[in-house]
Amino acid sequence: QVQLVQSGAEVRKPGASVKVSCRASGYTFSVYGVGWARQAPGQGLEWMGWISAYNGNINYAEKFQDRVTLTIDTSTSTAYMELRNLRSDDTAFYYCARDANHRFDYWGQGTLVPVSS
Amino acid sequence: QSALTQPASVSGSPGQSITVSCTGTGGDIGSYGHVSWYQQHPGKAPKLIIFDVSNRPLGVSHRFYGSKSGNTASLTISGLQTEDEADYYCISLTTSTSHYVLGTGTKVTVL
Repeated sequence: QVQLVQSGAEVRKPGASVKVSCRASGYTFSVYGVGWARQAPGQGLEWMGWISAYNGNINYAEKFQDRVTLTIDTSTSTAYMELRNLRSDDTAFYYCARDANHRFDYWGQGTLVPVSS
Repeated sequence: QSALTQPASVSGSPGQSITVSCTGTGGDIGSYGHVSWYQQHPGKAPKLIIFDVSNRPLGVSHRFYGSKSGNTASLTISGLQTEDEADYYCISLTTSTSHYVLGTGTKVTVL
């Protein structure tokens, strides 16, 4: 069965970076894209970006363009999201999701990243 | 790229029908038939309930219905049940550099 398993919670200090992983299984990873969104406590979902595991194309939301990097490792079927120069308002759950022809049909369980000094 | 606009909250009584709107622009909802809807219960990951405007994945109740007119997509929930109480989000493909745009989210309350 299709699964996206994300890395565990990561506590960071302001100014630091975090790299969240999203390991896929149960399907051919290189055929689909992966989207990333985040959700601050009590807030709505916020779109961060998308990467194609097929051809490596990447698109970032304008808000995160200068601080986020999306990558993939097809040898391990894993997608990564790195966010730099963290601030307290980056405290959130970070989600990955499989893009199957413009629908996000499977989601990871979420990774909590608290940012606090 | 601004987020798609959804009402902050919609409520209804059990058995009633409610509609959640998702308003975008000619560069997203108006240009593509790739609007999807997601249901999120507290503490859970989002779940796909509608894709390509009006299609339901296997296993999703027929009480969920999606449609689109111009730059606005809509999600209708008929025969409202207590389990439908959740947050709902729309996502659309977009011509902007972000590739996708997310809605602001709607809290559905069953009275």
